[in-house]
This record gives sequence, C-alpha cells and structure tokens, in this order.
Amino acid sequence: DAGVTQSPTHLIKTRGQQVTLRCSPKSGHDTVSWYQQALGQGPQFIFQYYEEEERQRGNFPDRFSGHQFPNYSSELNVNALLLGDSAHYLCASSSPLYNEQFFGPGTRLTVL
Amino acid sequence: ILNVEQSPQSLHVQEGDSTNFTCSFPSSNFYALHWYRWETAKSPEALFVMTLNGDEKKKGRISATLNTKEGYSYLYIKGSQPEDSATYLCAFNPGSNYQLIWGAGTKLIIKP
Repeated sequence: DAGVTQSPTHLIKTRGQQVTLRCSPKSGHDTVSWYQQALGQGPQFIFQYYEEEERQRGNFPDRFSGHQFPNYSSELNVNALLLGDSAHYLCASSSPLYNEQFFGPGTRLTVL
Repeated sequence: ILNVEQSPQSLHVQEGDSTNFTCSFPSSNFYALHWYRWETAKSPEALFVMTLNGDEKKKGRISATLNTKEGYSYLYIKGSQPEDSATYLCAFNPGSNYQLIWGAGTKLIIKP
C-alpha cells in the first residue's frame, strides 16, 4: 500500500514564475490538504480538497490555487512567485476519522 | 482566532534522561488533539490522536496525556535516546470538518 507521494522533491524557480506541485493520496483516502512550512515554523494550512472541490482555505492569497482530480490526486499551483514563497510544501491525505493526516515527503521550493 | 502553542520551543536533553513538553489549545469546541513527530528531511509521522478528557496514550517510551477542560496536553519521553531527536508537533482539531490548527513544534535534541 503506497503512502502519500509528492513530486517533485526539490524545485528552484525565479520570482514571477509559476509552479505546480503534485500529490497522490494514500490508498482509501479521498481528502487532500496542502501545507506550507517555513523554516522554524509549524505547518500552515493552505487549503483542503474533497470531492474535487476546495472545502476549506487558510489565510493564503489567491496566487495559491489547487485542483483535485477524480482519482483524488491533487495539484497545488502558485502564480507570480515571491521570494517569501520559498518553503517546504507538504501534502497530507486524511483518514475519515478525526481528520488524522498522513503526510507525503514534501516538495522543497526555492524562489530566487 | 484559534491558537495552538507549544513549549518549550527547543529542548536539549541528555541521553537516558526523561523529558516532557506541552501543547496548549483552546478549551472550547474540542474534537481531537494530534501529536506528530517530524524528523529532519522526513514527513511528519502521526504519534497519537487523543479525543477524550483524561486520555492517556502510550507508544513504547513515548506517552501523552490530555486535559480538554484546561486546554493542554503533555508529551512524555522516558529514557531519551538519540533517535528521539526530532521536532514534536501538536495539532488541534476543533471539529470533524475543520482543518487542523498546528503548533510551531518543540525541537528536541538528545545529547549522547
């Protein structure tokens, strides 16, 4: 049983560019959440997708958008990248009970 | 705004010593409290999901207690080992359809 997978592992972009990160949830999970983790901080919730729709959203600008596909995999898109977007981006899929999150390995994004 | 606080921010412990740290969360609208362990360059790993006031959970040398009335949870590590070095994150869940609210973590360093 594959766990949560994410791609790519690392990514370097320049300011103003756009980036797409990908996530496949754990088998049996239909809910995917995206988090941003800056150095020394806890994960900050970006948004959650369920049934191909954004169900909840954290305090992130519209430059951050997402998508969920019929197979429950998900993408995180960030437009007009800023230096401050450099962080570790984590995807987590949830168990139905208590919203327990199972995390992928993350994508480390560096914006130059 | 719901806030989760963890203390201390970091902790150095001698190998073999026992230690504990705290997660504080809002005492109203409690649904669940999660503890995660996050090693550098790996994904956060779920340790415990705690749901009832007075809950006490144990996994090997690690245990946790929960007080929902006063809004805190303690994580204990008995006889610390170098492999316990990690950041320990707690996350508060105010409802079944709500995103987790994360603390910034306690970084534990075990000195051999």
